[in-house]
Amino acid sequence: DTGVSQDPRHKITKRGQNVTFRCDPISEHNRLYWYRQTLGQGPEFLTYFQNEAQLEKSRLLSDRFSAERPKGSFSTLEIQRTEQGDSAMYLCASSFDIRAWHEQYFGPGTRLTVT
Amino acid sequence: AQKVTQAQTEISVVEKEDVTLDCVYETRDTTYYLFWYKQPPSGELVFLIRRNSFDEQNEISGRYSWNFQKSTSSFNFTITASQVVDSAVYFCALSEVGRDDKIIFGKGTRLHILP
Repeated sequence: DTGVSQDPRHKITKRGQNVTFRCDPISEHNRLYWYRQTLGQGPEFLTYFQNEAQLEKSRLLSDRFSAERPKGSFSTLEIQRTEQGDSAMYLCASSFDIRAWHEQYFGPGTRLTVT
Repeated sequence: AQKVTQAQTEISVVEKEDVTLDCVYETRDTTYYLFWYKQPPSGELVFLIRRNSFDEQNEISGRYSWNFQKSTSSFNFTITASQVVDSAVYFCALSEVGRDDKIIFGKGTRLHILP
């Protein structure tokens, strides 16, 4: 399977714990996006990378959130001191910016539940 | 500012009926893309269609059709002869071209197809 993969698919954690999610984009894709989807809402943009550079961060991304893409390949999203409001589906997408439109391919998501 | 409004939060129809999902968008840009995605209970986002702002031709793909009207800033989606497998949440989305290409999603319409 050469699509976008995310790990883990599900995570249950207690409030106050730190969690880290991983996204592996399609191999030749140089752009990587993180979105968050809360219950009953559409996905909302969090941040994106062009290669290893983080170029934009949404105001939704509080200082408890940090994302990295150290070698321009996989990316990690870490949430420190989780809160119940962090419970959501975290979606990763990747694209290749050579073409006029950079088609984003979404992964299956990581569902986070904070108890 | 960009915004996508899906006024219908939930729709139920009986199998084989036709159903139209409404989408209204706002953007200041003249160049943009519009999308529809399907999210079945499994949670994965399934891309259905992308339409650029310069192409107002309606599109038909099997039982699916899309009506794009710039004059009313609408991009509606019709399923003809609905089937139970069409039950899902459907998202309309917008992206402005040439920037970060982040996608702005509506809140979704949950579609129930009753047997």
